[in-house]
Order: sequence, then C-alpha cells, then structure tokens
Amino acid sequence: DVKVTQSSRYLVKRTGEKVFLECVQDMDHENMFWYRQDPGLGLRLIYFSYDVKMKEKGDIPEGYSVSREKKERFSLILESASTNQTSMYLCASRRGDKVYGYTFGSGTRLTVV
Amino acid sequence: DQQVKQNSPSLSVQEGRISILNCDYTNSMFDYFLWYKKYPAEGPTFLISISSIKDKNEDGRFTVFLNKSAKHLSLHIVPSQPGDSAVYFCAAGNDYKLSFGAGTTVTVRA
Repeated sequence: DVKVTQSSRYLVKRTGEKVFLECVQDMDHENMFWYRQDPGLGLRLIYFSYDVKMKEKGDIPEGYSVSREKKERFSLILESASTNQTSMYLCASRRGDKVYGYTFGSGTRLTVV
Repeated sequence: DQQVKQNSPSLSVQEGRISILNCDYTNSMFDYFLWYKKYPAEGPTFLISISSIKDKNEDGRFTVFLNKSAKHLSLHIVPSQPGDSAVYFCAAGNDYKLSFGAGTTVTVRA
C-alpha cells in the first residue's frame, strides 16, 4: 500500500528555533509537496518539488525553505520558528500523471511557543 | 486570495439522504478538480476527481459535477452513511499545483 510518512506526529518548539519536518514516500513519486492546514483557510501550499533537487515556491513560502536530495525524501525547514507558524503541516506526493490525486501523510501538528 | 472557495463550513444530513457539497473557483486555467475527505488526526484521502473536459464523474455513492461556465463543482453522496462524517476539501489544479478550499464538515445523523 502506498505510503507517505511524516517523522513526527506532534512537535513543540520555541520561538527562534530552527525546525526540520521530514517526509518520506515509498512510491517512487516524482512530485512532493508541503502544505499547512489552518481553520477557515484550508490547505495552503508552502513549497513543492517536481523532481530531485528541484523546488518551487508555493503560495506562502515566507519563513520556510525545503530540501530534496533524494527522490523519496522532502524536508521542510523553518529557519527561525515563530508563533504564527503554529499549524498542522501536511506532506503529499504524486505520480507525474496529474489525473491522479495526491497521497498525503498523516500530518505534523507543530506548536511554536 | 483564495482561488477555490467552499462557502458552507458545515453540513448536517440524515443517514440515507443525499449530501450535496459545493465549491466555486475563480481560475479558468484549472484543468482538473478533486475532492478529498479528511478524518481527525489523519491526512486527507483522495475521493474522486474530474477533468475539465467532463461534466460528470461517478464512483459508487459519489458523483462529482462540473459546471465550467459557472466555475462551480459539486459533490453528491447518495446515500449518506455515518462513516461519511468528515471534513471534505475541494481542490483544483493545473500543472503541478493544487489549490484547496477551506473545507466543509459533514455530519451524518442516525
């Protein structure tokens, strides 16, 4: 069965800390994505990667960066965590064929205090 | 600015009846549309999709309708079951990116 695994279910970090959120997929998917989910705003795209070492900014990239050194792993980095980055973070992957839906991980609930 | 809007944050429906979820979009360049279902503490799961060249797609109890001229799509669930209680997200995309609506929470009453 297809799987996207996010390394942490819950995280609590302090303001100013550098935070790494890890995502691994076992489906050999080309495309990977990071979203955040906030009440009333739905899912908003932070960054995506259409292939290894490739990355593109999404709709809300400010305060974030990403790394994709291997096809199966896509990391989201909060350079200096702030309280407005408290959110649910969702990683997703997808085959290159855009007809098919994305496969999402279970999410990481990040709280910045 | 949200390009995909779900104007009803919640919907309550009796078991066995039809659930109708609505979604509007603004970007005429979107060429595929999807619905996702999300339970608490889980990631969204893909439910059904439709290409912009079609106006209807059916999969079991789920049917998605697309009205391109109105930039509107809807999801029909017939009959509604208790396990359908979840948050439903509408999504639209072109090329690599998907834009999501804010979600509609569906509660199916026994």
